[in-house]
Amino acid sequence: EIVMTQSPATLSMSPGERATLSCRASQSVSSNLAWYQQKAGQPPRLLIYGASTRATGIPARFSGSGSGTEFTLTISSLQSEDFAVYYCQQYNNWPPYSFGQGTKLEIK
Amino acid sequence: EVQLVESGGGLVKPGGSLRLSCAASGFTFFTAWVNWVRQAPGKGLEWVGRIKSKTSGATTDYAAPVKGRFIISRDDSKNTLYLQMNSLKTEDTAVYYCAAVITGTPADPYFDYWGQGTLVTVSS
Repeated sequence: EIVMTQSPATLSMSPGERATLSCRASQSVSSNLAWYQQKAGQPPRLLIYGASTRATGIPARFSGSGSGTEFTLTISSLQSEDFAVYYCQQYNNWPPYSFGQGTKLEIK
Repeated sequence: EVQLVESGGGLVKPGGSLRLSCAASGFTFFTAWVNWVRQAPGKGLEWVGRIKSKTSGATTDYAAPVKGRFIISRDDSKNTLYLQMNSLKTEDTAVYYCAAVITGTPADPYFDYWGQGTLVTVSS
């Protein structure tokens, strides 16, 4: 089973700043990685798939990069609505489709 | 508009059973691979299991903690996904989401649409 590890667990930042979230896989998942955003009381929303492709309707300030075992989600200029929990997920080796434990992006 | 609406959650005693449903609309359900994902209170996301489309054999896979206790099925005539949960344990307490692979493909099965979830509480 592939284990996904996200860092940091919590990221405290201010609106307008650039945020960088990391995700590491225990073995290569090629580019078969997705990022999801989850706000309190809501279901997750797909942001990025294929490690770097934005899903429909996702603003350009969200970008993903990486391949193999190291991945990054970057939010170029934080807006108030971006403060949420972010999860990475691999879909290269399944089952299971493993998720990271999440990074909480909070307002500083 | 794509919609996934879960129902059937509630309070059940340990050892009991519950069946969840996920009603789908706004897309071609019979071609979609569909998953169940759960989230324990205050915790992260945990994949529960998945059923492929009939054209892909309608096969199922399960996460280790639920294998042998949970059964996923689908009724394409009703555009509905099911999760039969048996021998429930307190650690199964969670919000259960259905999540569909719609724009993705069998080679890229990312979860692009999610329902709002239904809460299952297992407690005596």
